Amino acid sequence: KAGVTQTPRYLIKTRGQQVTLSCSPISGHRSVSWYQQTPGQGLQFLFEYFSETQRNKGNFPGRFSGRQFSNSRSEMNVSTLELGDSALYLCASSSQGEWPQHFGDGTRLSIL
Amino acid sequence: AQRVTQPEKLLSVFKGAPVELKCNYSYSGSPELFWYVQYSRQRLQLLLRHISRESIKGFTADLNKGETSFHLKKPFAQEEDSAMYYCALYAKSSGDKLTFGTGTRLAVRP
Repeated sequence: KAGVTQTPRYLIKTRGQQVTLSCSPISGHRSVSWYQQTPGQGLQFLFEYFSETQRNKGNFPGRFSGRQFSNSRSEMNVSTLELGDSALYLCASSSQGEWPQHFGDGTRLSIL
Repeated sequence: AQRVTQPEKLLSVFKGAPVELKCNYSYSGSPELFWYVQYSRQRLQLLLRHISRESIKGFTADLNKGETSFHLKKPFAQEEDSAMYYCALYAKSSGDKLTFGTGTRLAVRP
């Protein structure tokens, strides 16, 4: 089975721009969750989707949003980028009833 | 609200020495606890799950509900154990999310 795939691997943006990150879960997995990883804050939960519905949301501003498609692929969008949004964004997938155990390599976002 | 605390940012030991990475949690219900490991330039991967009570790569962790702890232990550290270790809590009632500690970097010196 192919693992969780995140694209792109690296992104460089400037303040004020917006960005879209993509996550393809393991085949058959319908739950996708997103995490932000920074040196100062560690890993923080952003949101979780199951069957195209957002089931849970972390404590992030409304500039962070996401969606999930019928094929379970998920996208995360960040608008009006700020310097503090520089981070590694990780995606995890799981099958129903399981915890998020399969992580992707992440997308490293750098804001200039 | 749930919380996971890893008090040590860095733990440095010599090869062959015992290792204990500390993890404490707060949660009113019955959580599931995990240890994840991230080796240099590799993706985050599951190391241990408390329910399975198994030993992976020589590491063990016991859930102590009285002390709300889930410390990770290994009797003899190896250089290849050098990595970032994260303790995480999963509570189904709080939605399908993991709450992570801030991580402990383990450095094993030759």
